[in-house]
Amino acid sequence: SQQGEEDPQALSIQEGENATMNCSYKTSINNLQWYRQNSGRGLVHLILIRSNEREKHSGRLRVTLDTSKKSSSLLITASRAADTASYFCATARETSGSRLTFGEGTQLTVNP
Amino acid sequence: GAVVSQHPSRVICKSGTSVKIECRSLDFQATTMFWYRQFPKQSLMLMATSNEGSKATYEQGVEKDKFLINHASLTLSTLTVTSAHPEDSSFYICSAGQGLSYTFGSGTRLTVV
Repeated sequence: SQQGEEDPQALSIQEGENATMNCSYKTSINNLQWYRQNSGRGLVHLILIRSNEREKHSGRLRVTLDTSKKSSSLLITASRAADTASYFCATARETSGSRLTFGEGTQLTVNP
Repeated sequence: GAVVSQHPSRVICKSGTSVKIECRSLDFQATTMFWYRQFPKQSLMLMATSNEGSKATYEQGVEKDKFLINHASLTLSTLTVTSAHPEDSSFYICSAGQGLSYTFGSGTRLTVV
Protein backbone atom coordinates (compact mmCIF):
# COMPACT_ATOMS: atom_id res chain seq x y z
CA SER A 1 0.00 0.00 0.00
CA GLN A 2 1.14 3.54 -0.62
CA GLN A 3 2.01 5.52 2.43
CA GLY A 4 2.84 8.74 0.75
CA GLU A 5 0.76 11.50 -0.58
CA GLU A 6 2.05 13.98 -3.05
CA ASP A 7 0.73 17.31 -4.03
CA PRO A 8 -0.05 18.66 -6.37
CA GLN A 9 -1.21 15.69 -8.39
CA ALA A 10 -0.59 17.70 -11.52
CA LEU A 11 1.43 20.84 -12.13
CA SER A 12 1.68 22.85 -15.34
CA ILE A 13 4.23 25.65 -15.64
CA GLN A 14 6.13 27.62 -18.25
CA GLU A 15 9.74 27.03 -19.13
CA GLY A 16 12.05 28.94 -16.84
CA GLU A 17 9.71 28.83 -13.88
CA ASN A 18 10.38 26.83 -10.76
CA ALA A 19 8.40 23.72 -9.90
CA THR A 20 7.76 22.59 -6.35
CA MET A 21 6.34 19.21 -5.46
CA ASN A 22 5.53 18.02 -1.97
CA CYS A 23 5.42 14.58 -0.41
CA SER A 24 4.13 13.38 2.93
CA TYR A 25 4.63 10.03 4.57
CA LYS A 26 3.37 8.23 7.63
CA THR A 27 6.05 6.04 9.19
CA SER A 28 9.59 6.57 10.39
CA ILE A 29 12.16 6.38 7.64
CA ASN A 30 15.85 5.84 7.04
CA ASN A 31 15.85 7.88 3.86
CA LEU A 32 13.59 9.44 1.25
CA GLN A 33 14.25 9.34 -2.46
CA TRP A 34 12.86 11.14 -5.46
CA TYR A 35 12.41 9.48 -8.82
CA ARG A 36 11.39 10.65 -12.23
CA GLN A 37 9.36 8.65 -14.73
CA ASN A 38 8.83 9.55 -18.33
CA SER A 39 5.59 8.25 -19.80
CA GLY A 40 5.68 4.49 -20.28
CA ARG A 41 9.22 4.14 -19.00
CA GLY A 42 11.05 3.00 -15.92
CA LEU A 43 12.04 5.21 -13.03
CA VAL A 44 15.22 7.21 -12.81
CA HIS A 45 16.75 7.99 -9.44
CA LEU A 46 17.14 11.72 -8.89
CA ILE A 47 18.24 12.34 -5.35
CA LEU A 48 18.32 10.71 -1.92
CA ILE A 49 18.10 12.46 1.41
CA ARG A 50 18.80 10.70 4.67
CA SER A 51 16.62 11.10 7.73
CA ASN A 52 19.32 13.11 9.50
CA GLU A 53 19.62 15.58 6.63
CA ARG A 54 17.41 18.60 6.11
CA GLU A 55 18.35 19.80 2.66
CA LYS A 56 20.21 18.52 -0.34
CA HIS A 57 21.10 19.93 -3.74
CA SER A 58 21.92 18.32 -7.05
CA GLY A 59 22.18 20.59 -10.06
CA ARG A 60 18.79 22.26 -10.53
CA LEU A 61 17.21 20.04 -7.89
CA ARG A 62 16.74 20.96 -4.27
CA VAL A 63 15.20 18.56 -1.78
CA THR A 64 14.14 19.32 1.76
CA LEU A 65 13.12 16.91 4.47
CA ASP A 66 11.19 17.69 7.64
CA THR A 67 10.99 14.53 9.71
CA SER A 68 8.91 16.23 12.40
CA LYS A 69 6.21 16.88 9.83
CA LYS A 70 6.98 13.73 7.85
CA SER A 71 7.20 15.69 4.67
CA SER A 72 9.60 16.45 1.84
CA SER A 73 9.67 18.81 -1.08
CA LEU A 74 11.37 18.71 -4.44
CA LEU A 75 12.18 21.98 -6.15
CA ILE A 76 13.22 22.09 -9.78
CA THR A 77 14.62 25.47 -10.70
CA ALA A 78 14.66 27.05 -14.15
CA SER A 79 12.49 24.29 -15.55
CA ARG A 80 12.81 23.02 -19.10
CA ALA A 81 10.36 21.30 -21.41
CA ALA A 82 12.48 18.16 -21.01
CA ASP A 83 11.61 18.12 -17.30
CA THR A 84 8.07 17.09 -18.23
CA ALA A 85 7.51 13.78 -16.45
CA SER A 86 5.97 12.19 -13.37
CA TYR A 87 7.87 12.62 -10.14
CA PHE A 88 7.57 10.21 -7.25
CA CYS A 89 8.88 10.27 -3.74
CA ALA A 90 9.72 6.96 -2.11
CA THR A 91 10.63 6.14 1.45
CA ALA A 92 12.84 3.41 2.83
CA ARG A 93 12.44 2.40 6.44
CA GLU A 94 15.81 0.75 6.72
CA THR A 95 19.24 0.91 5.14
CA SER A 96 20.20 -0.77 1.88
CA GLY A 97 18.06 -3.57 0.58
CA SER A 98 14.78 -2.53 2.13
CA ARG A 99 11.64 -2.04 0.12
CA LEU A 100 10.56 1.35 -1.12
CA THR A 101 7.11 2.76 -0.55
CA PHE A 102 6.05 5.21 -3.21
CA GLY A 103 3.94 8.31 -3.07
CA GLU A 104 1.15 8.94 -5.51
CA GLY A 105 3.27 11.09 -7.79
CA THR A 106 3.07 14.51 -9.39
CA GLN A 107 2.64 14.91 -13.13
CA LEU A 108 4.72 17.91 -14.16
CA THR A 109 4.18 19.57 -17.51
CA VAL A 110 6.61 22.27 -18.57
CA ASN A 111 5.30 24.26 -21.49
CA PRO A 112 7.84 25.68 -23.94
CA GLY B 1 26.19 3.44 -13.39
CA ALA B 2 24.15 0.40 -12.49
CA VAL B 3 21.87 -0.89 -15.21
CA VAL B 4 18.87 -3.14 -14.94
CA SER B 5 17.69 -4.60 -18.21
CA GLN B 6 14.05 -5.64 -18.46
CA HIS B 7 12.52 -7.59 -21.33
CA PRO B 8 10.25 -7.56 -23.13
CA SER B 9 9.26 -3.90 -23.19
CA ARG B 10 5.86 -4.70 -24.63
CA VAL B 11 3.91 -7.90 -24.93
CA ILE B 12 0.43 -8.77 -26.09
CA CYS B 13 -0.93 -12.16 -25.19
CA LYS B 14 -4.20 -14.01 -25.34
CA SER B 15 -6.29 -14.74 -22.28
CA GLY B 16 -5.27 -17.95 -20.61
CA THR B 17 -1.67 -17.92 -21.74
CA SER B 18 1.41 -17.21 -19.64
CA VAL B 19 3.94 -14.46 -20.05
CA LYS B 20 7.46 -14.31 -18.67
CA ILE B 21 9.20 -11.04 -17.92
CA GLU B 22 12.95 -10.98 -17.31
CA CYS B 23 14.93 -8.56 -15.26
CA ARG B 24 18.74 -8.63 -15.35
CA SER B 25 21.28 -6.62 -13.43
CA LEU B 26 24.00 -6.01 -16.00
CA ASP B 27 26.97 -4.80 -14.01
CA PHE B 28 26.25 -5.70 -10.46
CA GLN B 29 24.91 -8.56 -8.42
CA ALA B 30 21.45 -8.22 -6.98
CA THR B 31 20.56 -10.54 -4.14
CA THR B 32 17.20 -8.83 -3.93
CA MET B 33 14.97 -7.55 -6.69
CA PHE B 34 11.57 -5.96 -6.41
CA TRP B 35 8.61 -6.32 -8.75
CA TYR B 36 6.07 -3.53 -9.08
CA ARG B 37 2.85 -3.06 -10.93
CA GLN B 38 1.62 0.29 -12.16
CA PHE B 39 -1.79 1.19 -13.54
CA PRO B 40 -2.20 4.22 -15.81
CA LYS B 41 -1.65 7.52 -14.05
CA GLN B 42 -1.09 5.75 -10.74
CA SER B 43 1.86 5.05 -8.54
CA LEU B 44 3.91 1.88 -8.24
CA MET B 45 2.50 -0.93 -6.13
CA LEU B 46 5.00 -3.43 -4.78
CA MET B 47 3.95 -6.95 -5.72
CA ALA B 48 6.79 -9.04 -4.36
CA THR B 49 10.37 -9.11 -3.24
CA SER B 50 12.53 -11.60 -5.09
CA ASN B 51 15.39 -13.16 -3.15
CA GLU B 52 18.20 -15.05 -4.85
CA GLY B 53 18.13 -18.70 -3.97
CA SER B 54 14.97 -18.57 -1.90
CA LYS B 55 11.25 -18.04 -2.22
CA ALA B 56 9.87 -14.67 -3.05
CA THR B 57 7.98 -12.63 -0.51
CA TYR B 58 4.61 -11.50 -1.79
CA GLU B 59 2.63 -8.48 -0.69
CA GLN B 60 -0.81 -8.93 0.73
CA GLY B 61 -3.38 -9.53 -1.95
CA VAL B 62 -0.91 -10.70 -4.59
CA GLU B 63 -1.53 -14.26 -5.73
CA LYS B 64 1.76 -16.12 -5.64
CA ASP B 65 0.42 -18.91 -7.85
CA LYS B 66 -0.54 -16.41 -10.49
CA PHE B 67 2.58 -14.27 -10.38
CA LEU B 68 5.47 -16.72 -10.27
CA ILE B 69 8.82 -15.26 -9.36
CA ASN B 70 12.13 -17.00 -9.85
CA HIS B 71 15.47 -15.54 -8.80
CA ALA B 72 17.84 -18.30 -9.79
CA SER B 73 21.01 -16.23 -10.03
CA LEU B 74 22.46 -13.03 -8.67
CA THR B 75 21.77 -11.26 -11.95
CA LEU B 76 18.42 -12.59 -13.10
CA SER B 77 14.90 -12.49 -11.73
CA THR B 78 11.83 -13.49 -13.71
CA LEU B 79 8.14 -12.78 -13.23
CA THR B 80 5.71 -15.13 -14.96
CA VAL B 81 2.09 -14.08 -15.21
CA THR B 82 0.21 -17.36 -15.47
CA SER B 83 -3.19 -17.83 -17.08
CA ALA B 84 -3.32 -14.15 -17.87
CA HIS B 85 -6.63 -12.30 -17.95
CA PRO B 86 -7.44 -8.84 -19.29
CA GLU B 87 -7.40 -7.44 -15.75
CA ASP B 88 -3.71 -8.39 -15.56
CA SER B 89 -2.99 -5.84 -18.25
CA SER B 90 -0.67 -3.35 -16.66
CA PHE B 91 2.85 -1.94 -16.58
CA TYR B 92 5.27 -4.15 -14.66
CA ILE B 93 8.61 -2.80 -13.42
CA CYS B 94 11.49 -4.44 -11.63
CA SER B 95 14.18 -2.83 -9.55
CA ALA B 96 17.35 -3.80 -7.75
CA GLY B 97 19.11 -2.06 -4.91
CA GLN B 98 22.53 -0.49 -5.20
CA GLY B 99 23.54 0.79 -1.82
CA LEU B 100 20.76 3.05 -0.62
CA SER B 101 19.28 3.84 -4.02
CA TYR B 102 17.58 1.61 -6.52
CA THR B 103 17.90 1.04 -10.23
CA PHE B 104 14.76 0.32 -12.20
CA GLY B 105 14.18 -1.62 -15.36
CA SER B 106 12.48 0.17 -18.23
CA GLY B 107 9.23 -1.67 -17.61
CA THR B 108 7.03 -4.11 -19.49
CA ARG B 109 3.67 -3.12 -20.89
CA LEU B 110 1.48 -6.21 -20.76
CA THR B 111 -1.77 -6.28 -22.70
CA VAL B 112 -3.98 -9.33 -22.39
CA VAL B 113 -6.61 -9.66 -25.10
